[in-house]
Amino acid sequence: GENVEQHPSTLSVQEGDSAVIKCTYSDSASNYFPWYKQELGKRPQLIIDIRSNVGEKKDQRIAVTLNKTAKHFSLHITETQPEDSAVYFCAASFQKLVFGTGTRLLVSP
Amino acid sequence: DTEVTQTPKHLVMGMTNKKSLKCEQHMGHRAMYWYKQKAKKPPELMFVYSYEKLSINESVPSRFSPECPNSSLLNLHLHALQPEDSALYLCASSQEGGTVNQPQHFGDGTRLSIL
Repeated sequence: GENVEQHPSTLSVQEGDSAVIKCTYSDSASNYFPWYKQELGKRPQLIIDIRSNVGEKKDQRIAVTLNKTAKHFSLHITETQPEDSAVYFCAASFQKLVFGTGTRLLVSP
Repeated sequence: DTEVTQTPKHLVMGMTNKKSLKCEQHMGHRAMYWYKQKAKKPPELMFVYSYEKLSINESVPSRFSPECPNSSLLNLHLHALQPEDSALYLCASSQEGGTVNQPQHFGDGTRLSIL
């Protein structure tokens, strides 16, 4: 079955810096890759997603890149703000959605 | 309005109790999901309903019994749970049945504690 690894587990940045979170997946048949943000005590919220026929997607300060050959995908957040602080989960999907282990992002003012 | 509503928000029950978790969406979505999330862990899939029929059961113990009465409602019936079943139970929905490769919208979850 699918296995998704996510790094780093914790990421601390200063406000205004960029943050990058990386994931690798094992099942080459996976074709949908969403990213979720989960604030403490709240629901996971979809922030961006990408399909396997696309290499990069951007939405304002957030971008995701996908390398199908290497089975890597990454989340890039630019100009980070304190409200970006949360746990971020990547996920990969073919027959079911499998989540990575999560990255706790802390943005300090 | 992209909203999935779950009740109750919190539930404390004994190991011999029977209770139910409820999930509702009015977005016309045809796929609904139950996930279990332990503290500081990612959500783990339990069940998938597609067009009101159970399509995936991730080998969940029979003390968890899902039910989809109609396209807007999803229940999770609980009976004889164990302390290790304490977790946040998340419901999600997505627009199309037949595929999980699409955005899933989560509810706020039910935080379940088993005494």
